[in-house]
Amino acid sequence: GAVVSQHPSWVICKSGTSVKIECRSLDFQATTMFWYRQFPKQSLMLMATSNEGSKATYEQGVEKDKFLINHASLTLSTLTVTSAHPEDSSFYICSARIGGSLDEQYFGPGTRLTVT
Amino acid sequence: QKEVEQNSGPLSVPEGAIASLNCTYSDRGSQSFFWYRQYSGKSPELIMSIYSNGDKEDGRFTAQLNKASQYVSLLIRDSQPSDSATYLCAVAKNTGGFKTIFGAGTRLFVKA
Repeated sequence: GAVVSQHPSWVICKSGTSVKIECRSLDFQATTMFWYRQFPKQSLMLMATSNEGSKATYEQGVEKDKFLINHASLTLSTLTVTSAHPEDSSFYICSARIGGSLDEQYFGPGTRLTVT
Repeated sequence: QKEVEQNSGPLSVPEGAIASLNCTYSDRGSQSFFWYRQYSGKSPELIMSIYSNGDKEDGRFTAQLNKASQYVSLLIRDSQPSDSATYLCAVAKNTGGFKTIFGAGTRLFVKA
């Protein structure tokens, strides 16, 4: 299957600081990338959908000014959590869609964010 | 009604048995169907994709799709303890923008 990388795999930051998470499709060009958040023992929650070169589409209830998404190329998307607070502590996972006739989505390994 | 429904489980099967996981979806316009496996603390891993009615086999896994009944299933033959995980059903369509809806997942325990 296709490979998606995510960096960092875990991060601890102080309340009020910003954290950037990178998501890269390593062996394919992703038409669309997605950002999810998952709290312990809960379902995946889609935060936003991003297409290269255009603004991200955020799901209802997700603050676009707090969760900044930049999709600079067909292989790179970044999520910046601005002014992080302890309630933002979660498992953030990106995925990339291959597109074409397959429409398969591949997930990165995730980033565990802890805000102290 | 949820767009993609799965029994949350847990589903417990003995080692070597067949595990049967089920999923129903509400949007008849759905075009692509996927099963993901998620181990605790890890991200989901794509294990099967199916696009047309019928069965699709890959090793010990068989996905079954019935669009008329809006039903997708995953069979795992010769279940192993390493198959213990949460299995997510996902349904996608690409009309007016691509969108994938995930079910909440079914927890599977395979007892040694």
